[in-house]
Amino acid sequence: AQTVTQSQPEMSVQEAETVTLSCTYDTSENNYYLFWYKQPPSRQMILVIRQEAYKQQNATENRFSVNFQKAAKSFSLKISDSQLGDTAMYFCAFMKQSGGGADGLTFGKGTHLIIQP
Amino acid sequence: DSGVTQTPKHLITATGQRVTLRCSPRSGDLSVYWYQQSLDQGLQFLIHYYNGEERAKGNILERFSAQQFPDLHSELNLSSLELGDSALYFCASSVTEAFFGQGTRLTVV
Repeated sequence: AQTVTQSQPEMSVQEAETVTLSCTYDTSENNYYLFWYKQPPSRQMILVIRQEAYKQQNATENRFSVNFQKAAKSFSLKISDSQLGDTAMYFCAFMKQSGGGADGLTFGKGTHLIIQP
Repeated sequence: DSGVTQTPKHLITATGQRVTLRCSPRSGDLSVYWYQQSLDQGLQFLIHYYNGEERAKGNILERFSAQQFPDLHSELNLSSLELGDSALYFCASSVTEAFFGQGTRLTVV
């Protein structure tokens, strides 16, 4: 079974600062996907960024980028130039590729990110 | 808009009752995944259906069941409800994108 660990229950930074959210995972799988999801107060789950384990290049989406260290089983999210709208819960998630993703996502417990004005 | 539709958005019911939650996946997606988000357990995978067939089960209680219909919408049935079943229930479609619906907030009183 896979496990996902987010060791920072809450983080707070000033607007325009850069913040990094940590995520580690444990798996015996070699092929998998990793995700960061954002959940604002509306409770909608929003996909922020996705990384395929076979790709060495770190994924980026505008102000969001990841540092994927496969050997260390680490998948951190960096948010640059943070904005007030980035305030939300952030969940790291794992999905194994074998079986066509049948087993769904395994989530960490989340990090509550607060952007201060 | 993720394209995944869930109804109802809110549901309040009494202990011991039975409810049905509905999910329509994005157009073209054959999968429906159900997840439960509670304060105690966090986000948990419940069950996955693909093109009408059950593909995988997660931490789904025996009191809960699901099915997927020929038009690909899915229903999650929760019976003999307990206070601890109060949670946000999400469905999602797509294997790699996992687009989520807006969720159904279930409150058991």
